[in-house]
Amino acid sequence: NAGVTQTPKFRILKIGQSMTLQCTQDMNHNYMYWYRQDPGMGLKLIYYSVGAGITDKGEVPNGYNVSRSTTEDFPLRLELAAPSQTSVYFCASSYPFTRTSGSTDTQYFGPGTRLTVL
Amino acid sequence: QKEVEQDPGPLSVPEGAIVSLNCTYSNSAFQYFMWYRQYSRKGPELLMYTYSSGNKEDGRFTAQVDKSSKYISLFIRDSQPSDSATYLCAMSVGDGNNRLAFGKGNQVVVIP
Repeated sequence: NAGVTQTPKFRILKIGQSMTLQCTQDMNHNYMYWYRQDPGMGLKLIYYSVGAGITDKGEVPNGYNVSRSTTEDFPLRLELAAPSQTSVYFCASSYPFTRTSGSTDTQYFGPGTRLTVL
Repeated sequence: QKEVEQDPGPLSVPEGAIVSLNCTYSNSAFQYFMWYRQYSRKGPELLMYTYSSGNKEDGRFTAQVDKSSKYISLFIRDSQPSDSATYLCAMSVGDGNNRLAFGKGNQVVVIP
């Protein structure tokens, strides 16, 4: 059971280039999330998905796109990379929380992708 | 006012000391409170999970929630160099959308 895996670990992009950050989970979680983490700024939600085919914006979606064609995969697409997108990107997944199911809001995080845009 | 406030200032303590971390929040609907630990260049991992007000203890770690004051705390007793990490508080309403509100995180360094 690998949990949440992310590729690549590191990437340097030039301004205007595009790339896709990959995220896969093998825990059969319905919910998946993309965050960015800047030094001293905590985690900011970019996009999230409650199931295959369903995605929604978080608090900082501009400049990013996502898709969710399967339960396992949730790629994040950067179009026209900008220096402001230099950050560490984390993917996470969780079960849907219900008070009666015994599940929790716990989110399981991947190891992150360090992206630099020059 | 941000939903969750956590002073991100670094904290250095000698080995064996008690580490005290805290967060305040503004949304009275929060019912589920978490502490995540994040080692350098790693993803956050869940450390403690509590529901509503009260204390929860797990080994050297104690989480406290005071909903009347909108204040949560994490205490680490007998701190070890392996506790050196960033600690993020997180909380949720528990309404099924699984959205977590995170604090900015506290970097803790335990000096041998």
